[in-house]
Amino acid sequence: SQKIEQNSEALNIQEGKTATLTCNYTNYSPAYLQWYRQDPGRGPVFLLLIRENEKEKRKERLKVTFDTTLKQSLFHITASQPADSATYLCALWAQGYSTLTFGKGTMLLVSP
Amino acid sequence: EAQVTQNPRYLITVTGKKLTVTCSQNMNHEYMSWYRQDPGLGLRQIYYSMNVEVTDKGDVPEGYKVSRKEKRNFPLILESPSPNQTSLYFCASSRRGTGAATEAFFGQGTRLTVV
Repeated sequence: SQKIEQNSEALNIQEGKTATLTCNYTNYSPAYLQWYRQDPGRGPVFLLLIRENEKEKRKERLKVTFDTTLKQSLFHITASQPADSATYLCALWAQGYSTLTFGKGTMLLVSP
Repeated sequence: EAQVTQNPRYLITVTGKKLTVTCSQNMNHEYMSWYRQDPGLGLRQIYYSMNVEVTDKGDVPEGYKVSRKEKRNFPLILESPSPNQTSLYFCASSRRGTGAATEAFFGQGTRLTVV
């Protein structure tokens, strides 16, 4: 069956360090992958989209990589700040499907 | 301002009493969907719609209905709510690009409690 896996344990890092979050998937042929940020009790907010033929995408302090051989995406936040503390979700739109499927998310905690 | 608006934000109801959660978007998006979010289970898709009058089941459609009579609105209907439908619900909309939808815009969420 298809799976999207994100680390369920919270990631704790210090302010100023780079946070790296992982998204692994199985039994998918994704057309593209997206990353969202979600704050408690609020709707997810779109951050970045990367297509299957792209290796890397950047936006300000954010960087996403996409390795279709490893079936993995890495999401990096450089120079992290306490305001970056949130849950980060990866989502896949798979080829042949009509749905955007989400991983369960990883909570990031950035301490001052 | 581009937005997806859900109503109500909070709702407490009793088992069996029909309810509707409304969702409206002002971005002329073709694709709309409903998700529920539960602790430990993440976001799971209930129903989606590719365009007006086109709807289809997601991963957890049992106990829910939807309709898409107009492009901007996509209400979620619970004909006979049960306690296991207590959850946080999100509506989302996307522009439908070539072969796939693009970034999703989410509503503020509806916290539903069924007693």
